[in-house]
Amino acid sequence: DAGVTQSPTHLIKTRGQQVTLRCSPKSGHDTVSWYQQALGQGPQFIFQYYEEEERQRGNFPDRFSGHQFPNYSSELNVNALLLGDSALYLCASSPLGTGNYGYTFGSGTRLTVV
Amino acid sequence: AQRVTQPEKLLSVFKGAPVELKCNYSYSGSPELFWYVQYSRQRLQLLLRHISRESIKGFTADLNKGETSFHLKKPFAQEEDSAMYYCALSSNNAGNMLTFGGGTRLMVKP
Repeated sequence: DAGVTQSPTHLIKTRGQQVTLRCSPKSGHDTVSWYQQALGQGPQFIFQYYEEEERQRGNFPDRFSGHQFPNYSSELNVNALLLGDSALYLCASSPLGTGNYGYTFGSGTRLTVV
Repeated sequence: AQRVTQPEKLLSVFKGAPVELKCNYSYSGSPELFWYVQYSRQRLQLLLRHISRESIKGFTADLNKGETSFHLKKPFAQEEDSAMYYCALSSNNAGNMLTFGGGTRLMVKP
């Protein structure tokens, strides 16, 4: 089992552009959460998807949106990129009902906005 | 609002010395507290959770509701304990959402 896989691992974008990050959950997991980790800080919750719907959302603007597909994989989209969006974006999957005990994190996507 | 504070960005100890990584939280209800660890070039992973009251890799953590703290302790540090440690909180009604502290880098010197 490859666990949680994220792609791409790194990318560089220009201010104002749009970006899509992808996540494949661990086998058997149906819930996907996204976190943003700025340099030197802890991860910050963006949102969570279950049954192809946004189940919970953190304090992030509407420029951040997501999607979950029938195979449970997920995308994170960020529009109108700002320099402050530069961060490591982490995906975590879990089986619904396990609370936080079943969280498995991916290695992340390093986004640099120039 | 819930918040997690880890006052030390860096903690450096010698091998065999005791370790205490501090974590304080603010939350009005009954939280669930966790410690996550990230070793060099590895993914973030769960170390332990308060509800299980277990010891993992020699680490323990006790939830002190009076002091709103959840400090991580180990009596004798090992070099392989060097890593980033994050304290995290989940509220009863916040589903799976975790609120993380800023993290503490533990360096265990030989």
